[in-house]
Amino acid sequence: KAGVTQTPRYLIKTRGQQVTLSCSPISGHRSVSWYQQTPGQGLQFLFEYFSETQRNKGNFPGRFSGRQFSNSRSEMNVSTLELGDSALYLCASRLKGEDTQYFGPGTRLTVL
Amino acid sequence: AQSVTQLGSHVSVSEGALVLLRCNYSSSVPPYLFWYVQYPNQGLQLLLKYTTGATLVKGINGFEAEFKKSETSFHLTKPSAHMSDAAEYFCAVSYTNAGKSTFGDGTTLTVKP
Repeated sequence: KAGVTQTPRYLIKTRGQQVTLSCSPISGHRSVSWYQQTPGQGLQFLFEYFSETQRNKGNFPGRFSGRQFSNSRSEMNVSTLELGDSALYLCASRLKGEDTQYFGPGTRLTVL
Repeated sequence: AQSVTQLGSHVSVSEGALVLLRCNYSSSVPPYLFWYVQYPNQGLQLLLKYTTGATLVKGINGFEAEFKKSETSFHLTKPSAHMSDAAEYFCAVSYTNAGKSTFGDGTTLTVKP
């Protein structure tokens, strides 16, 4: 069974631009969570989606948003990029009722 | 709020030596506990987890961890380090919503030949 896939793997943007990252969960997994990883702040929870509904949200500004489609694929969007948004963005999926999250390889975003 | 503390941001051991990575959590209720490993430019790979039941948990690659409620700890061990174990290790905790995990700051393990 294929793992969690994230596209693109690497991205370079400039300040003020917006970006959309994509995550395809493992087949059958309907829960998708997003995390931001930076050297200074570590791994921080952004939000979780289940069956197209946001179930939980971390402490991030409104510039960070996400959505989930009926096929469970998820996207996250960051508007008005700031230098501090440079990070590895990780997506994880899990089965309903299961406690284990499976992580994708991440998207490395660099904001110049 | 739940929190996770990993003692030691860097741990260095010799090949063949015992690996001990420490993790303490703050909680008033039993959590779900996880250890993940991350290699450079990769995502997180689950090593092992504790949810309920046996407090000594065995994972992949010879790692194991013991849940000690009285000490609120979940330390990761491996009897004999291998060069391929060099990576960053994260302890994480979650509760009823398993889709939201709180991670420790990570411990970078170096294995010397």
